[in-house]
Amino acid sequence: GENVEQHPSTLSVQEGDSAVIKCTYSDSASNYFPWYKQELGKRPQLIIDIRSNVGEKKDQRIAVTLNKTAKHFSLHITETQPEDSAVYFCAASGPRIAGNMLTFGGGTRLMVKP
Amino acid sequence: DAGITQSPRYKITETGRQVTLMCHQTWSHSYMFWYRQDLGHGLRLIYYSAAADITDKGEVSDGYVVSRSKTENFPLTLESATRSQTSVYFCASSESGRGNTIYFGEGSWLTVV
Repeated sequence: GENVEQHPSTLSVQEGDSAVIKCTYSDSASNYFPWYKQELGKRPQLIIDIRSNVGEKKDQRIAVTLNKTAKHFSLHITETQPEDSAVYFCAASGPRIAGNMLTFGGGTRLMVKP
Repeated sequence: DAGITQSPRYKITETGRQVTLMCHQTWSHSYMFWYRQDLGHGLRLIYYSAAADITDKGEVSDGYVVSRSKTENFPLTLESATRSQTSVYFCASSESGRGNTIYFGEGSWLTVV
């Protein structure tokens, strides 16, 4: 099955700085890569996703890049704000994975210091 | 977001008791899932269902039972609760097929004492 590794597990940045979270996946057939944000005590919510036919996608201050050859994808947050503080999860799914299962990375706790 | 709801939100139970967590979605999504979230383990899939009367095991299914007699409901039962099943449980749903967004419920905090 798929295996998703996520780094770092914790990340502390100053407000206004950029934050980068990286994930690697094992199944070369995986073709869908979403990112979820989970605030303390809340449910995970999708913030951005990318499919394997695209190398980069942006949405305001967040962007995701995908390197299919190296089997890794990254989340970039620019001009971080205190409200960006949360746990971020990457995930992957693809045609070799039964059902619509997402395999999640272990999560990154991002702390933005004012 | 109100389209997928879980109950109870908080539950304390004793070891050995049977517990059922309810999940209801109003979107008519084909796929439904149960995940558990523990510190250090992220989100792990317990069971999923592609349609009514079709269920499959996930990564950590031992000790759990599910059913899906109706598309909108996907209850999760802990047959004989153990302390290791203390966790936050998230129900989720997805429209269809692969590569579709998964939407999570608010979560059910379960403590087994």
